[in-house]
Amino acid sequence: ETGVTQTPRHLVMGMTNKKSLKCEQHLGHNAMYWYKQSAKKPLELMFVYNFKEQTENNSVPSRFSPECPNSSHLFLHLHTLQPEDSALYLCASSQEPRGASTGELFFGEGSRLTVL
Amino acid sequence: GESVGLHLPTLSVQEGDNSIINCAYSNSASDYFIWYKQESGKGPQFIIDIRSNMDKRQGQRVTVLLNKTVKHLSLQIAATQPGDSAVYFCAANTGNQFYFGTGTSLTVIP
Repeated sequence: ETGVTQTPRHLVMGMTNKKSLKCEQHLGHNAMYWYKQSAKKPLELMFVYNFKEQTENNSVPSRFSPECPNSSHLFLHLHTLQPEDSALYLCASSQEPRGASTGELFFGEGSRLTVL
Repeated sequence: GESVGLHLPTLSVQEGDNSIINCAYSNSASDYFIWYKQESGKGPQFIIDIRSNMDKRQGQRVTVLLNKTVKHLSLQIAATQPGDSAVYFCAANTGNQFYFGTGTSLTVIP
């Protein structure tokens, strides 16, 4: 138990569906992140939120839309995805906001997404 | 930026033996490093970290060695157990951004 909870753990969706991934951190951290993990590839940073404000978007297609209503919750809204978007989507948090001092990233268990 | 790579995609060891997993990074400005363990179906789990002002750090059964001269990082697991079977990857922090390796899959043979 890392203190970062992701739901759902598994999601299968068609290319025309709209779904959302949810992340909640119980650690009182100030920064939250979405990462994409594909087979045989390094973790890819997608979005960064510091104090619930988006500070980075790593050239992510608009079919992925993040939302951070408060510093403990993070969503990733999915719309008209492609089969190549199938991957494990990991949420992470850190105590310090990105750009401040370095510190450990705490990861959730991930949401395994399959796009048919 | 930074490029992080692991030397071996897979590693098999006998139970009880020591395991060594290696990682190389490219940016000499990287100043903080983490080793993560990821078991099947789970998220990455922190194992141990080290800052660039150190060359060795020990935890419970794990040791991380940092050689800044050759930009090399290693994770040593003592007396490897079946529960250590997982994918291990390193992360290097440069400019307050983490760069990740692809991972080494460790299999422990009973």
